[in-house]
Amino acid sequence: GNSVTQMEGPVTLSEEAFLTINCTYTATGYPSLFWYVQYPGEGLQLLLKATKADDKGSNKGFEATYRKETTSFHLEKGSVQVSDSAVYFCALRDNTGTASKLTFGTGTRLQVTL
Amino acid sequence: EAGVAQSPRYKIIEKRQSVAFWCNPISGHATLYWYQQILGQGPKLLIQFQNNGVVDDSQLPKDRFSAERLKGVDSTLKIQPAKLEDSAVYLCASSSGLAGVDTQYFGPGTRLTVL
Repeated sequence: GNSVTQMEGPVTLSEEAFLTINCTYTATGYPSLFWYVQYPGEGLQLLLKATKADDKGSNKGFEATYRKETTSFHLEKGSVQVSDSAVYFCALRDNTGTASKLTFGTGTRLQVTL
Repeated sequence: EAGVAQSPRYKIIEKRQSVAFWCNPISGHATLYWYQQILGQGPKLLIQFQNNGVVDDSQLPKDRFSAERLKGVDSTLKIQPAKLEDSAVYLCASSSGLAGVDTQYFGPGTRLTVL
């Protein structure tokens, strides 16, 4: 079946540090890949997505590239801010059939300090 | 554009009691999802509706969980009777249902505590 593996947190960084959160996946076919963010007390928000190999998703300074050869979709940001503190979820959507559920990783908590 | 609405935001019940959650999706969205998010884990799909029909309920514990989406708009998820392990955040999401642009938008969730 489909699965997503994320690096375990928490990840603690100083403001303006470089961020990488690793994500790898297992899926049949050609899934779409997503990063969602969950700020404290809020629901999941879509951060970025990529629908095919070599696509790069980007938003708010975050980016991730769909790497089919390594089955990865690592999240990066060049300079994090305190306001980026949240839980980040990598997810995939199987594009076969009519069902379109998201399969999520376990989430990675990011804490950014001054 | 209004987002996905859910109520209540919080609910505390004792085991063996029943509980219901309500979701109002984004206007015009044909597809509606219920996910269960246990603390420290990623969300897990419970059920997916396309309009008022069920597309996927393979991970719904049907002996105690039920869901309906009458008229293809609002949806309710019910648990009867609740168990301790049902303590989780229940997330509702909706999407347009159009192939290739099917981004899921999530509501704020209902946090259920079963004592």
